[in-house]
Formats: sequence, C-alpha cells, structure tokens
Amino acid sequence: AQKITQTQPGMFVQEKEAVTLDCTYDTSDPSYGLFWYKQPSSGEMIFLIYQGSYDQQNATEGRYSLNFQKARKSANLVISASQLGDSAMYFCAMRELNYGGATNKLIFGTGTLLAVQP
Amino acid sequence: DTAVSQTPKYLVTQMGNDKSIKCEQNLGHDTMYWYKQDSKKFLKIMFSYNNKELIINETVPNRFSPKSPDKAHLNLHINSLELGDSAVYFCASSRQESYEQYFGPGTRLTVT
Repeated sequence: AQKITQTQPGMFVQEKEAVTLDCTYDTSDPSYGLFWYKQPSSGEMIFLIYQGSYDQQNATEGRYSLNFQKARKSANLVISASQLGDSAMYFCAMRELNYGGATNKLIFGTGTLLAVQP
Repeated sequence: DTAVSQTPKYLVTQMGNDKSIKCEQNLGHDTMYWYKQDSKKFLKIMFSYNNKELIINETVPNRFSPKSPDKAHLNLHINSLELGDSAVYFCASSRQESYEQYFGPGTRLTVT
C-alpha cells in the first residue's frame, strides 16, 4: 500500500531564510505523482507544486522547489526566502491512480506546521 | 470567480440529525472528490465520482451518501449524525487523467 511520511510535526524558520520540509513515500507503482499543499489557518487547501515520477528535473514554482530523490523515495519541499505569510500547515501527498487512470485519489501525510518568525 | 465552492462553510447540528453539504465546481472538470480532515488534521479520501459515476468509496459508513446530479456538482448527505462525524469536509475536483486537484474551502461540521 502507498504511504506518505512526514516526520516533522512542527518547524521554525527565521524570515528570509530557506527551510526544508521532509517527505518520504512508499509505493510499488512505477508511475506516481507527488504533491505539496499548503493549509493556512483560514483552512483552505492550496496546491503548491507537483513532481511526476518520470520527471527528469526537480519541480520549481517561484520560491518553492521540490527536492526529488527517487532512489531514497523522498520529495522534500524547499521554501526559499521565507515570508511571514508562509506560516501554515504543509501536506505532502501522493497520487494513486485507479481504474486505469480514470480517476485518482490523493494519499496525504500527517503534515508539518511551519512557523516563520520575524 | 470561485473554482470549487462548498455550502455551508460551517454546520453545527445535533446527534441523530440528517444534513447535507453541497459542492459545485465551475472548472469543467469531470472528476470530483470528498475528503475528510479529522481533528488531528489528517486528510483522507471518502469518495470519488467521474462523470457522475461513483469510482471510489473508501470504506465509509452507509450513513454517508454522495450524490452527483451532474458533472459540476457532488453533494454529500449524512444520515443519523454521530459525534465522530465532526470534522472538516473538503470537496475537490480535477480533470480526468490530470494530476492536480482543486480543493473547495471546506465545511466544518460540528456534531453536538
């Protein structure tokens, strides 16, 4: 069965510094996708970044980058130049395809609560 | 323009009642989902619909019944509410075979 593990329940970072949020995964499928979502205190789920298992390069979206190490089965999120507005819960998730790709579901990790300090 | 909307945002009700949560997406997606986030913030899928057809049902009690009148709507009806049903329920949608799921704002259900 597929599994996502986030071992950091909480993290602190100083404003303007970079921070890495850890995520490891377990799957026997050769084709999979990895995601990071942000959930601020207001509660909505915000998509940040996606990495496909066959992507040759690490995904980047603005200040977010995904450090994808396939052999280690890790997909860490790196946030550069942290801002106060980055304070939120961050979820790593894996896409599991169903029914020949007709639909898919996300399997989530337990989340990391990031606090950016001024 | 709201992509995925849910109503109501907050729902407080007593044990034993029946309630519904509505979800609508205006993205033209053909797949919709319901996820449950418990008090420890853990998110788990409940249902997935593709073109109005139920695809995924993740061992959810029969008291939960999703209904998809059309591709743009996926409602969640809950019968005989229990204390353990208190959670935040998220609706999401995606294009078939697409990787990204767009989430609604969530509905916080409190059962007293």
